[in-house]
Amino acid sequence: GENVEQHPSTLSVQEGDSAVIKCTYSDSASNYFPWYKQELGKGPQLIIDIRSNVGEKKDQRIAVTLNKTAKHFSLHITETQPEDSAVYFCAARLGSNYQLIWGAGTKLIIKP
Amino acid sequence: EADIYQTPRYLVIGTGKKITLECSQTMGHDKMYWYQQDPGMELHLIHYSYGVNSTEKGDLSSESTVSRIRTEHFPLTLESARPSHTSQYLCASSPVFVQGTFDEQFFGPGTRLTVL
Repeated sequence: GENVEQHPSTLSVQEGDSAVIKCTYSDSASNYFPWYKQELGKGPQLIIDIRSNVGEKKDQRIAVTLNKTAKHFSLHITETQPEDSAVYFCAARLGSNYQLIWGAGTKLIIKP
Repeated sequence: EADIYQTPRYLVIGTGKKITLECSQTMGHDKMYWYQQDPGMELHLIHYSYGVNSTEKGDLSSESTVSRIRTEHFPLTLESARPSHTSQYLCASSPVFVQGTFDEQFFGPGTRLTVL
């Protein structure tokens, strides 16, 4: 079955710097890769996603890149702000009739 | 803001008690999910449903049960709570689109369960 590994488990960056979180997946047939952000005391919320027919997607300060050959995808956050502090989860899915397989999460800390 | 609600938000209960965690959504979504999560840690899918009268077990073995009698309601029940059930339980829902599209999961705020 599909397996998703996420690194690092904790990431601390200076406010204003960039943050990168990486995930690798095992099943080359996976075609959907979302990223969720979970703030303290709340449920996760989708922030960006990418499909396997696209190599990169941007939304303001966040971007996701996908390398299908290497089977990894990354979340990039530029000009980090205090409100970016949260736990970020990546996930992968084989198709619409399958369930998401989640990474273990990355705690992002933005230092003032 | 997603319209998905969970009650109670916090529950402390003794071993052996029967409990039901409530989850309701007002978005008319067909798919619903229950996840178990230790705070800030990985999400584990324990149950899901494709619609009314549909329930499936997830990847993580769980002693809980679920029911889906109405589209908007997806309660989770533990017949006899144990300390090992102490965790956070997250409910989510997603719409079903035509084949070839992808669905976002909308999460509730979670129920933090402590079994003494």
